[in-house]
Amino acid sequence: GAVVSQHPSRVICKSGTSVKIECRSLDFQATTMFWYRQFPKQSLMLMATSNEGSKATYEQGVEKDKFLINHASLTLSTLTVTSAHPEDSSFYICSARVRVTGELFFGEGSRLTVL
Amino acid sequence: ELKVEQNPLFLSMQEGKNYTIYCNYSTTSDRLYWYRQDPGKSLESLFVLLSNGAVKQEGRLMASLDTKARLSTLHITAAVHDLSATYFCAVSTTSGTYKYIFGTGTRLKVLA
Repeated sequence: GAVVSQHPSRVICKSGTSVKIECRSLDFQATTMFWYRQFPKQSLMLMATSNEGSKATYEQGVEKDKFLINHASLTLSTLTVTSAHPEDSSFYICSARVRVTGELFFGEGSRLTVL
Repeated sequence: ELKVEQNPLFLSMQEGKNYTIYCNYSTTSDRLYWYRQDPGKSLESLFVLLSNGAVKQEGRLMASLDTKARLSTLHITAAVHDLSATYFCAVSTTSGTYKYIFGTGTRLKVLA
């Protein structure tokens, strides 16, 4: 199946710093990528939809100024957690949509720990 | 608002037994997906179901879709320990922009 690469897989940072997570589709062009957040033993919560060349669409309750999403090319989307707080600690997963089949493929996930 | 519910939320079963996980969704959708997640890992795609009556099988897992009932099932046949994981169904909607909404997940534990 299609490959989506996400990194870093783990990151620990101090409160107040910013962290960038990258999501790349390695063998296909992804016009649409999605960013999810997952708390322990819970389902995936859609944060935003990232469209190449345009502004991301954020879900209700997700702060766009805190979670900056950029989809600069057909193979790369980035999520930047700005001024991180401990409550931002979570597992963040990106996914990319294959245009023809509509199937979603997921990155490996990034575990963020804010101290 | 599109909602996706799964049941049971937690399932503990003996090896060799059969069981079914159910996925209900609230509005019409064009596709339904099943994923597996191991602890600390991301999601692995299992099945994509595209039409009413679709049935797909891979090993001990079989997924089906009834779009009229807005119901999908994931059937486990003769469970083995390696199937222990969390299983998610997800539904996509094409109203407006594409959006994929995930079910609550079913944590499956197969006891040896």
